[in-house]
Amino acid sequence: GQNIDQPTEMTATEGAIVQINCTYQTSGFNGLFWYQQHAGEAPTFLSYNVLDGLEEKGRFSSFLSRSKGYSYLLLKELQMKDSASYLCAVNRDDKIIFGKGTRLHILP
Amino acid sequence: DTAVSQTPKYLVTQMGNDKSIKCEQNLGHDTMYWYKQDSKKFLKIMFSYNNKELIINETVPNRFSPKSPDKAHLNLHINSLELGDSAVYFCASSLRGRETQYFGPGTRLLVL
Repeated sequence: GQNIDQPTEMTATEGAIVQINCTYQTSGFNGLFWYQQHAGEAPTFLSYNVLDGLEEKGRFSSFLSRSKGYSYLLLKELQMKDSASYLCAVNRDDKIIFGKGTRLHILP
Repeated sequence: DTAVSQTPKYLVTQMGNDKSIKCEQNLGHDTMYWYKQDSKKFLKIMFSYNNKELIINETVPNRFSPKSPDKAHLNLHINSLELGDSAVYFCASSLRGRETQYFGPGTRLLVL
């Protein structure tokens, strides 16, 4: 997806913490979204980072480093319902470009 | 109460047919989109409209033609359907082009 890289799959245990990384090409960058998509459903918005730093929203946090072209989504106290795909999407030159998504499997 | 709605939810059709998918949003957003999500789950933008005007037209076959009768509606017409068109098509909308997108439930198209 136009130089947006994230791992294809990850596995973590219920109750644990997992970090999903996303790297992107920095040219024309305006901001970065994270979306969650459960199997068979539409993507839903999780976060949008424009400035460097960490933004926390309940069990989910998102971090951005504009200079490094790097973001991560941190999920704490994992629950079975967090099993889903997590899509990193870059706002570049007023277009939203999605990465291929990271499929997260949660084990009991 | 549905923010972004699409019809139909499922569409099974034969190769060579012409079909349309409809999308409506009641959020008062200015920008609407069509995405295609293939079997590998890669979400790829096809078209974007802002206030009924086409602003993004990615490399898609010209068998695909979007139509926006008003800013709350963006329909997708597909001519001469091919096997490779089988996918989930998502409509989305945002307040403006740079902002959070809200997705419809998707239309699962299967071409036989």
